[in-house]
Order: sequence, then structure tokens, then C-alpha cells
Amino acid sequence: KAGVTQTPRYLIKTRGQQVTLSCSPISGHRSVSWYQQTPGQGLQFLFEYFSETQRNKGNFPGRFSGRQFSNSRSEMNVSTLELGDSALYLCASSLSTGGNTEAFFGQGTRLTVV
Amino acid sequence: AQSVTQLGSHVSVSEGALVLLRCNYSSSVPPYLFWYVQYPNQGLQLLLKYTSAATLVKGINGFEAEFKKSETSFHLTKPSAHMSDAAEYFCAVSGATGYALNFGKGTSLLVTP
Repeated sequence: KAGVTQTPRYLIKTRGQQVTLSCSPISGHRSVSWYQQTPGQGLQFLFEYFSETQRNKGNFPGRFSGRQFSNSRSEMNVSTLELGDSALYLCASSLSTGGNTEAFFGQGTRLTVV
Repeated sequence: AQSVTQLGSHVSVSEGALVLLRCNYSSSVPPYLFWYVQYPNQGLQLLLKYTSAATLVKGINGFEAEFKKSETSFHLTKPSAHMSDAAEYFCAVSGATGYALNFGKGTSLLVTP
């Protein structure tokens, strides 16, 4: 069974640009969550989608947005990139939504903003 | 709001020694607690989770954790450290609805020969 796939693995963008990251969950998983990992702030929750609906949202500015498609694949978009957006972005999928459900993480997309 | 605090950003143990990584939680309701491990340039892998079924939880790779409500703790232990255990370990908590994990700052485990 294939794991969570995130593309691309590495990305370099310039300040002011926008970027789209992709996440393909494990087959059959309907919940997809996104996290930002930085050395200073650690792992922070961005948002969660379940059946194409955003269920939870973290404390991030509106420049960060996401969506989920009918096949459960998800994309995350960051507009007007800032240097501080440089981070490892992790996607996690789970069978359902609910606090006790195990989340399976992808390897992440390393975004560098220059 | 639910949160966790990991005591010690870096822990060093000798190969074969006991591993103890500390995690305390703050929650007004019974929480769901998790331990994840992250190897360099990798995503997170679940070691174990507490969902109120049993206070002593056994996970993968010989790790286990005990939920102690009186101490609001969920410390991770392994009787004998192996070189391959060197990694970053994260404690996390989530609520009953939705899936938003709140992670601790992480503890980097170093295993020396």
C-alpha cells in the first residue's frame, strides 16, 4: 500500500511569488491535514480537510489556503511568499476525522524562499 | 486549549541504556496523546498513541509510554537504547473532534556507543 506522497520534495521560490504544494493521501483515507515545521516554531497545524470540506484551521494568515478534491488529494497554496515561509511542509492523511485516528505523514516538501 | 510540553530539547544516552523522554500535557478533558519519531529529512512516524483504553501503551521498536493522569504526564521509555533510535521525538495531543495535532517542541535523542 503506497504511503502519503508529497510533491515536489524541494522547492525554491522568490519573495512575492506564490506556490502550490500537492499531497496524495493513502488510498481510502478521506482526511488530509497540513503542518508547517520550522526550527523556531516547531510543528504547527495549518488546516484539515475531510471530504472536500475544511474542518479545522490553524492560526495562519489568509495567504495560506488549501483545498481537497473528490479523490481526497489535497493542495496547499501560499501566496505572496515571505522569507519566513521557508519551512518543511508536511501532509498527513487518516481514515477519518477524529482525535484518536492515526495520522500517516508524508516526507514533506522543503520550501525555501529567497 | 490542549497542549504538550516536552522537557529537554536534547537527551543523550549510551547504547544499551534506558531511554526516557518526558512529556506533560495540559487538557481540560481526557486527551488523545501520541508520540511520533522523525528521522533526518523524513516525515513523522507514529510510535504509539493513548486513547484511554489502557494507561500503559506499547508501541513499535520497543518503545512504550505510561499515561499518568495525576501527573498529567505521558513519558516515553525504552529499556535499552540502540544506535538506530537516534532521531527527533515529538509528543502530540489532539481533541475529540477534528484532527488538529498540537505538537511539543521535540526532543533530539543522541545515542552514543
